[in-house]
Amino acid sequence: GIQVEQSPPDLILQEGANSTLRCNFSDSVNNLQWFHQNPWGQLINLFYIPSGTKQNGRLSATTVATERYSLLYISSSQTTDSGVYFCADSGGSNYKLTFGKGTLLTVNP
Amino acid sequence: NAGVTQTPKFQVLKTGQSMTLQCAQDMNHEYMSWYRQDPGMGLRLIHYSVGAGITDQGEVPNGYNVSRSTTEDFPLRLLSAAPSQTSVYFCASTRSVRGGNSPLHFGNGTRLTVT
Repeated sequence: GIQVEQSPPDLILQEGANSTLRCNFSDSVNNLQWFHQNPWGQLINLFYIPSGTKQNGRLSATTVATERYSLLYISSSQTTDSGVYFCADSGGSNYKLTFGKGTLLTVNP
Repeated sequence: NAGVTQTPKFQVLKTGQSMTLQCAQDMNHEYMSWYRQDPGMGLRLIHYSVGAGITDQGEVPNGYNVSRSTTEDFPLRLLSAAPSQTSVYFCASTRSVRGGNSPLHFGNGTRLTVT
């Protein structure tokens, strides 16, 4: 199946800083998604983005499907952005999503 | 809409006991799935279903059974619990696996401890 590599594994920011998280995929992307797991364990879907760029407030994501990677941008970070960010994709025509191991983001006040 | 509802939130089992984790969604989603989350391992797919009456195995299916008798419900059964099944379990669903633009929605999880 598809392999998903996330970087960096850990990131510590001061409130107000910007950051970029990256996912690399070993196969073509079809159902690429980004998720945020908050400190209470809830998993929230941020973006469904198999190609192109999307923005939602301070967050935006870009997927370059031809090069099999995706970037998540967080601008003007807030303490509520803390948590683990996951990317996932199915790598084929079905919907068996494989997740990366995540990026643990800590935003300090 | 309640979204994806999982029960119970917490459960402690003894080795060898069986139990069922419940998952229900009220969004008329075709696709439902179960993941387990372990420290340092991300989320791994256990079983999934693309519609009522259809189920298939994911990456880590051993020790678990599922069924999909209705569109709304997708229970996960542990046949004989083992300490290796101590984990946080998430149920997730999406509208359709055809046609794209189908974000995955997660329930709030069930934390299971097997002693």
